[in-house]
Amino acid sequence: DAGVTQSPTHLIKTRGQQVTLRCSPKSGHDTVSWYQQALGQGPQFIFQYYEEEERQRGNFPDRFSGHQFPNYSSELNVNALLLGDSALYLCASVTSGQSTDTQYFGPGTRLTVL
Amino acid sequence: DQQVKQNSPSLSVQEGRISILNCDYTNSMFDYFLWYKKYPAEGPTFLISISSIKDKNEDGRFTVFLNKSAKHLSLHIVPSQPGDSAVYFCAASVNNNDMRFGAGTRLTVKP
Repeated sequence: DAGVTQSPTHLIKTRGQQVTLRCSPKSGHDTVSWYQQALGQGPQFIFQYYEEEERQRGNFPDRFSGHQFPNYSSELNVNALLLGDSALYLCASVTSGQSTDTQYFGPGTRLTVL
Repeated sequence: DQQVKQNSPSLSVQEGRISILNCDYTNSMFDYFLWYKKYPAEGPTFLISISSIKDKNEDGRFTVFLNKSAKHLSLHIVPSQPGDSAVYFCAASVNNNDMRFGAGTRLTVKP
């Protein structure tokens, strides 16, 4: 079992560009959440996807959007990148209805915006 | 709004001694609290949790204490081992939703 995988590992973009990050959940999991972890901070919840729909959303602008595919994998898209979007983006997966104890995190994608 | 706070960015303890990591929260609606451990280049991994109906939960060397009146929880690791060196995040949620994390405490256990 590969656990939660994310790609790419690192990414460098310039201000104003758009980026897409990808996540494959742990086998058997159907719910995917995305978090942003800025340097020196804890992860901040962006949104959660279940059954290909956004189920919950944190306090992030609509420049942040996502998608979930029928195989439960997910993408995070960020438009009009700002310097402040530089962070580690974490994906986490869980089976719907299960406790957050059982949520698994991926290793993250490190995004640098220049 | 930072609803979960870990005020100590770092902690250093000697191997074999007790490590105590602290966390404070402001939202009285939080009903579930978790501790995660994070090694470099890896995602956070779940360590231990506690429901708001309890005041203590123990799992091997790890014990979490919850003081609801003070809106404070702590993680005790005893005895501490060098392999425990990592960043520890406190997190809280309401009804399993919208988990909020603290900024983390970097624990270093010296041999």
